[in-house]
Amino acid sequence: GAVVSQHPSRVICKSGTSVKIECRSLDFQATTMFWYRQFPKQSLMLMATSNEGSKATYEQGVEKDKFLINHASLTLSTLTVTSAHPEDSSFYICSQRGLAGGLRETQYFGPGTRLLVL
Amino acid sequence: GQNIDQPTEMTATEGAIVQINCTYQTSGFNGLFWYQQHAGEAPTFLSYNVLDGLEEKGRFSSFLSRSKGYSYLLLKELQMKDSASYLCAAGGGNKLTFGTGTQLKVEL
Repeated sequence: GAVVSQHPSRVICKSGTSVKIECRSLDFQATTMFWYRQFPKQSLMLMATSNEGSKATYEQGVEKDKFLINHASLTLSTLTVTSAHPEDSSFYICSQRGLAGGLRETQYFGPGTRLLVL
Repeated sequence: GQNIDQPTEMTATEGAIVQINCTYQTSGFNGLFWYQQHAGEAPTFLSYNVLDGLEEKGRFSSFLSRSKGYSYLLLKELQMKDSASYLCAAGGGNKLTFGTGTQLKVEL
């Protein structure tokens, strides 16, 4: 499967600051990456689809000016939470497509970033 | 719209077999995925079904019925380390829609 890394794994910040999360594809070039958010005991919710060299596609209800996504290269996508507030505290996970055996395709997830906004 | 239903919690005994069910409604369906997620960690891919029938992979098997919008994950010879949340996800277009996960607790 695909190998995805995320940095940082954990971040604590003050309300009003901005936080950047990096997602790297380590074993192949990813034209598309996905950003999810997961609140405690809830499911993963897709926030946006990050497209290399073009604008991200945001899901309904996700503020694109608050969650800035940049996919400047085939191996790196970044999510910046601008002016973070306590309600933004969550587990942020990126993923990329990969092969699951044969020609089957699935998504492989990075280790996630736990954000706590005080 | 997209809708995924699976039980919230299940408990089973070490060495036993457990079946986790999932029903789904999704447009542009292109596959049913199962992921395992331990607390505080990201999901790891377990299985993928796009055709009807049973796919077996070691102690884990996954079944799909497209006409019924139904899938299950079967775990055999349960081990304590299998205690985790199991997420059912339906693929539609280029997206995955996740259920809320089934928290499985394996007891001695």
